[in-house]
Amino acid sequence: AQTVTQSQPEMSVQEAETVTLSCTYDTSESDYYLFWYKQPPSRQMILVIRQEAYKQQNATENRFSVNFQKAAKSFSLKISDSQLGDAAMYFCAYRRKSGNTPLVFGKGTRLSVIA
Amino acid sequence: NAGVTQTPKFQVLKTGQSMTLQCAQDMNHNSMYWYRQDPGMGLRLIYYSASEGTTDKGEVPNGYNVSRLNKREFSLRLESAAPSQTSVYFCASSEAWASLDSYNEQFFGPGTRLTVL
Repeated sequence: AQTVTQSQPEMSVQEAETVTLSCTYDTSESDYYLFWYKQPPSRQMILVIRQEAYKQQNATENRFSVNFQKAAKSFSLKISDSQLGDAAMYFCAYRRKSGNTPLVFGKGTRLSVIA
Repeated sequence: NAGVTQTPKFQVLKTGQSMTLQCAQDMNHNSMYWYRQDPGMGLRLIYYSASEGTTDKGEVPNGYNVSRLNKREFSLRLESAAPSQTSVYFCASSEAWASLDSYNEQFFGPGTRLTVL
């Protein structure tokens, strides 16, 4: 069974600085999708960024980018120029590309942004 | 376009009471899901419906039942609530269950905070 591990329960960053959240996963599949979701205090789950395993290029979305290391099964999220609104829980998730398997989530990392 | 809506937003039950959590989506998605979120546990899948007319158990189905009423609606029922079911419940939907060609990401509702006393 696939598992997703987020080894940092809590992180903090100074406003305007850069922070990296870690995520590792375990799978025997060669093709799959990876996601980062943000959950602010409002509880709403918001998709931040996504990556297809077959794509070599790391995904970027404005201040958010990933470092995808397929061989190491690592999918870290980098937030640049951190803002107060980035404070939230962040969840890494994995989905096998084919077959009847659901999203598998990590346990989350709580990010605090210090003004 | 409201996306995924859930009712109620908050609920307090006594042990043994029953209730149904409602979920609806207006994105014409085929697949719908129910998750629970507990501190330090992330999101865990309770039940899912790959398509209208089908439902399957997820990781933590005990104590719950579901109904896929139509393509838009997917409800979660607690027949006899227990304190262990105190949690935040999320409904989500995606275009399809499995797709080779698209990310098929899930869109989430705002959640229901349920407390069982």
